[in-house]
Amino acid sequence: GIQVEQSPPDLILQEGANSTLRCNFSDSVNNLQWFHQNPWGQLINLFYIPSGTKQNGRLSATTVATERYSLLYISSSQTTDSGVYFCAVGTGNQFYFGTGTSLTVIP
Amino acid sequence: NAGVMQNPRHLVRRRGQEARLRCSPMKGHSHVYWYRQLPEEGLKFMVYLQKENIIDESGMPKERFSAEFPKEGPSILRIQQVVRGDSAAYFCASSPLSRTEAFFGQGTRLTVV
Repeated sequence: GIQVEQSPPDLILQEGANSTLRCNFSDSVNNLQWFHQNPWGQLINLFYIPSGTKQNGRLSATTVATERYSLLYISSSQTTDSGVYFCAVGTGNQFYFGTGTSLTVIP
Repeated sequence: NAGVMQNPRHLVRRRGQEARLRCSPMKGHSHVYWYRQLPEEGLKFMVYLQKENIIDESGMPKERFSAEFPKEGPSILRIQQVVRGDSAAYFCASSPLSRTEAFFGQGTRLTVV
């Protein structure tokens, strides 16, 4: 299967700071999504972004499919941004998830 | 426009019992995926189904686990004779077509005692 590596594994930010999360994948994919798993365990869709750039409020994402990576930008972080961020890449019938970036935003 | 609905949210079973997890996809979605998340890990694919068909079950353990998505009603993930190692969060996702954006339910947290 496809290998998905996320970095950094852990991140602690002061409220208001910006951050960049990275997702590298080992093969061509036809689907890529970013999710936020909140402290209650719920998976929230952030972006469906197999290629290109998208923005949604303080979050934006860029996928460069030819170079097999995607970036998630979080600006002006808030405590509610805390949780685990997963990148999932899809090919064929399934998604392959990375091990996530655990983000803690402190007031 | 309800999202993907999973129930129960929490399920406790004794070793050797059966666990049945239910998933109702989003309206208009005919593709269902099941994933398992062990503590402190990412999600691992188990099975992909369309109505009345198992398309890909390459991630399912060979024994004790089965899944179905009948013509009417929710998708069911069934675990027979549960063991402690089955304790995990089980997530269901749905999509309108294959290889398109998938939406996840809130998960069922199975605890085997």
